[in-house]
Amino acid sequence: EAGVAQSPRYKIIEKRQSVAFWCNPISGHATLYWYQQILGQGPKLLIQFQNNGVVDDSQLPKDRFSAERLKGVDSTLKIQPAKLEDSAVYLCASSPNLLAGGYEQYFGPGTRLTVT
Amino acid sequence: RKEVEQDPGPFNVPEGATVAFNCTYSNSASQSFFWYRQDCRKEPKLLMSVYSSGNEDGRFTAQLNRASQYISLLIRDSKLSDSATYLCVVNRGSARQLTFGSGTQLTVLP
Repeated sequence: EAGVAQSPRYKIIEKRQSVAFWCNPISGHATLYWYQQILGQGPKLLIQFQNNGVVDDSQLPKDRFSAERLKGVDSTLKIQPAKLEDSAVYLCASSPNLLAGGYEQYFGPGTRLTVT
Repeated sequence: RKEVEQDPGPFNVPEGATVAFNCTYSNSASQSFFWYRQDCRKEPKLLMSVYSSGNEDGRFTAQLNRASQYISLLIRDSKLSDSATYLCVVNRGSARQLTFGSGTQLTVLP
């Protein structure tokens, strides 16, 4: 079974530029999460989707971050404009349907963003 | 206070040693608890769930104390391959959201 795919794996941008990350979850997984992991910290949830609807985006800095999952499968996370403190690994995770699945989340390899 | 707190370590132990990690959580309504493992520059992966009665998976034993809001992970007979960061994870709410601790770094030395 294919795992969670993410691209790009690495990205270096200058502050105030824009960047987008892409995620393809495990086939059939209805729930998709985006996390931000700063060096030395655990992953922090940014946004959770159930199919193409947002379950929780309370920790997403909406002045600069946006995310969508238009067809309930792939998702993109965008930062515009980027700040130095956005340097982190952006992890995408998926899990089975909220109502039927367990708590295990399957993570992609992440995108390592460096903002200079 | 952080929702999930862990001793960051690092823990440096010789092969064959027994090592224990502790974790506390602040939300008394949390229902589910886990340990995830994260290798250097890799994604987190589920190591084991933590049940109220305690549970064991080979060399790994997890314990939960709800009264003290405390979770532990014991690794016996440490292997070099156990070197990683161990993340204490607690569910948050009914939407199956997970809150991660900052992780405890373990290095097993030959």
